[in-house]
Parts: sequence; C-alpha cells; structure tokens
Amino acid sequence: ETGVTQTPRHLVMGMTNKKSLKCEQHLGHNAMYWYKQSAKKPLELMFVYSLEERVENNSVPSRFSPECPNSSHLFLHLHTLQPEDSALYLCASSQNYGGGGNQPQHFGDGTRLSIL
Amino acid sequence: AQKITQTQPGMFVQEKEAVTLDCTYDTSDPSYGLFWYKQPSSGEMIFLIYQGSYDQQNATEGRYSLNFQKARKSANLVISASQLGDSAMYFCAMRGRLNTIIFGSGTRLSIRP
Repeated sequence: ETGVTQTPRHLVMGMTNKKSLKCEQHLGHNAMYWYKQSAKKPLELMFVYSLEERVENNSVPSRFSPECPNSSHLFLHLHTLQPEDSALYLCASSQNYGGGGNQPQHFGDGTRLSIL
Repeated sequence: AQKITQTQPGMFVQEKEAVTLDCTYDTSDPSYGLFWYKQPSSGEMIFLIYQGSYDQQNATEGRYSLNFQKARKSANLVISASQLGDSAMYFCAMRGRLNTIIFGSGTRLSIRP
C-alpha cells in the first residue's frame, strides 16, 4: 500500500462543473501539500496544511478551495475552472511542516486533470 | 530569493553508463537541504536522496550519489550503471523559506538499450 493515495487518477470536467480531488496519507505525517504540475513548468506549491491548519496559500485563485478535515486527509475542491488549469495535481505529506532536516515529502501518484 | 536551476532539459544515455544530472541553487540561508526526486511517466514523485548543507560527506543511496559542491552551489545527481528503468524526469529541490520545498524545472533522462 502506498503511503500517499490520490483519487481519482484522471479527471475530465467542464468549466462549469464542481469536483473534488482527494488525498489520503497513511504515514502518520502532520503536514500535507497540494502542488500543480503544468507541462514545461516547475512544480508550483499551491497550499500547505500543518496539523489541519492552512499555513501557506501561494496566490491560488479562489476557484481552488482546499480542505483538511484531519491530518490524514486533504481535499481540493474545484469549481468554474479554466482550460489553463489542466495539469497534474500532486499531493504530498511530510512528518512536520518546518521540521527541517532531511524530511522529504512523500508524494501521491497525482490526479491528471483535463478541463474541456 | 531562493532558486533551483536545472539546465539540461533532456539527456540520452546508453544503458550501464553513469550519468550526471546538473543542479545549481541559490540561497542566502546558511542552513538548507537539497533533494532529488524521480518522476516516471506514470506521474508519481519518488524521493531519491538528500544532502544537508552542513553534511561533510556527499550523500549516497545505492546507485545514487549527490556530488555536493557548496562553494559552487551545485548539487549534481550521479546515477551509476544506468538501467532502462531509470528513464524518467528528475527534479532537484531545495528546502526553501519556511521549510517548504522549491523544485527545479526538471531533466528528462532517457536510457538507450
């Protein structure tokens, strides 16, 4: 069983739809992250949650709405998306936020999102 | 500002040869960490290796080693005896401000049989 699980793996939606991406980590980590990976661009950090509180929001449009109901689950709610939002969305977790040292982030397999 | 630069968008290497993937970084923080991740075509990001800025020795993990040259601000990944399964995107990353990680643009490595 992988440490970080994302569902769905693929999602195709229209611009007026509402959908949610789900991430679940089984590693006992306290910090969770959403990243966006567009073609030919570096990974972009979107949101960071530490102990279920949002600690970072990197100028992400309001059509992306994160939710962290507990330390094991992270959602990304999507509504009224644009074609440029088509990308791979990666969830990650780490032991602590700000823990420093060699605490790598463990990533899920990602959700490949296509906006029609 | 903190920045990671990977100047090789793509590389082709013959199977069983060693390969070096370049990474340079910029930071004013005295304490930082450097990571390498592998991303196969399936999309998942796999952590490979870590180097701390105060580590005296270069990090090694199996066939992966990190050639850390602090004065040059470089942290190149060396893969020995490359295998077909090494074909993937490789990302260099640095623990940045507030301890979140920033990523380079990646290098696509293709191993030829």
